[in-house]
Amino acid sequence: LAKTTQPISMDSYEGQEVNITCSHNNIATNDYITWYQQFPSQGPRFIIQGYKTKVTNEVASLFIPADRKSSTLSLPRVSLSDTAVYYCLVEAAGNKLTFGGGTRVLVKP
Amino acid sequence: DGGITQSPKYLFRKEGQNVTLSCEQNLNHDAMYWYRQDPGQGLRLIYYSQIVNDFQKGDIAEGYSVSREKKESFPLTVTSAQKNPTAFYLCASSYRDTQETQYFGPGTRLLVL
Repeated sequence: LAKTTQPISMDSYEGQEVNITCSHNNIATNDYITWYQQFPSQGPRFIIQGYKTKVTNEVASLFIPADRKSSTLSLPRVSLSDTAVYYCLVEAAGNKLTFGGGTRVLVKP
Repeated sequence: DGGITQSPKYLFRKEGQNVTLSCEQNLNHDAMYWYRQDPGQGLRLIYYSQIVNDFQKGDIAEGYSVSREKKESFPLTVTSAQKNPTAFYLCASSYRDTQETQYFGPGTRLLVL
């Protein structure tokens, strides 16, 4: 049973805000939510991690509702260089991470 | 300049041959991981190690072997038992355990001749 479900792909335009929602209905108390970004032929890169409510850094924001059964990665004012695959992971400390298929985001000019 | 390196960038394997992929990190991380990525797919965990001289199988360990003799190094051997080895292989490390941020190397693309 997959731990997370996210859209296969999303299109956007430069300057827009992109929101990717990840469903994790079976999230456990000890699980954290982590997002990675991957460009073609490169290793994934950590974007953001959170447990509840809202987390913001210089790259993105992560919104987690009170029930923690979903989370939304928000990328403000995307550019062409934000075209990549975005992975949502849910895992507790000590458990191995599981990367699903991710969401392919295409930013158009 | 700290980081995680993988070599070679491209590797060719002949039928029945074992090949070894190198992964080195100078981040002083305890944990290291190997993933396999097939075209258009996500990453799948092959092996991981949370401490020197100890490692655990991931989801697709069959046909692969690893060693962790030094903290900095975690080589992966693709054996002849792995019948479909063509893929992009990624090595990663984290400070302590899987909940810590994982830092990935540039990857090795393995092709079968």
